[in-house]
Amino acid sequence: NAGVMQNPRHLVRRRGQEARLRCSPMKGHSHVYWYRQLPEEGLKFMVYLQKENIIDESGMPKERFSAEFPKEGPSILRIQQVVRGDSAAYFCASSPAGVDSPLHFGNGTRLTVT
Amino acid sequence: GENVEQHPSTLSVQEGDSAVIKCTYSDSASNYFPWYKQELGKGPQLIIDIRSNVGEKKDQRIAVTLNKTAKHFSLHITETQPEDSAVYFCAADAGGTSYGKLTFGQGTILTVHP
Repeated sequence: NAGVMQNPRHLVRRRGQEARLRCSPMKGHSHVYWYRQLPEEGLKFMVYLQKENIIDESGMPKERFSAEFPKEGPSILRIQQVVRGDSAAYFCASSPAGVDSPLHFGNGTRLTVT
Repeated sequence: GENVEQHPSTLSVQEGDSAVIKCTYSDSASNYFPWYKQELGKGPQLIIDIRSNVGEKKDQRIAVTLNKTAKHFSLHITETQPEDSAVYFCAADAGGTSYGKLTFGQGTILTVHP
């Protein structure tokens, strides 16, 4: 029973390039969350999605960042024109239901912007 | 918005001793308080959680207590073992949302010496 799968595990991008992070939720989970963790800090909520819908994107920067969770396939977090400040670990979590369901996290994608 | 403060930032104990980590939160509407363990290079793993209608919850060597009046909750680990060494995060839900929008504390690095 596979857990939350994120890829790639490590991603290096030069300033100005695009980064695409993928997340496949646990089997049977239709709710996906993205969190960002800066070095030596706690995780910060970015966005909450259900299939084909963004429910809450209050934690996501208004520019350059976007997220989707299509009907088929993984959830994608996309960062355009990356800057050094985007370097962080990005974690995806999933849950079987939106309300009162514990989150199960993947092992993250570590983005380094050079 | 919700603010979660976690103390101490580092904790060093001898194997077999107890470890206590404390968190305070600001949003009185929060009603879900999970604790996560994060090992190096991995995602956070849920170890125990508590809801606001319960004052204490125990699972083998781990217990969590909640004081809603004072807006603080604590993690207690008894009979610590070297494999308990990790970073521990407390979190609180964004009051009223009921879904997985969590505010995390800054983390506690727990080291258990054999």
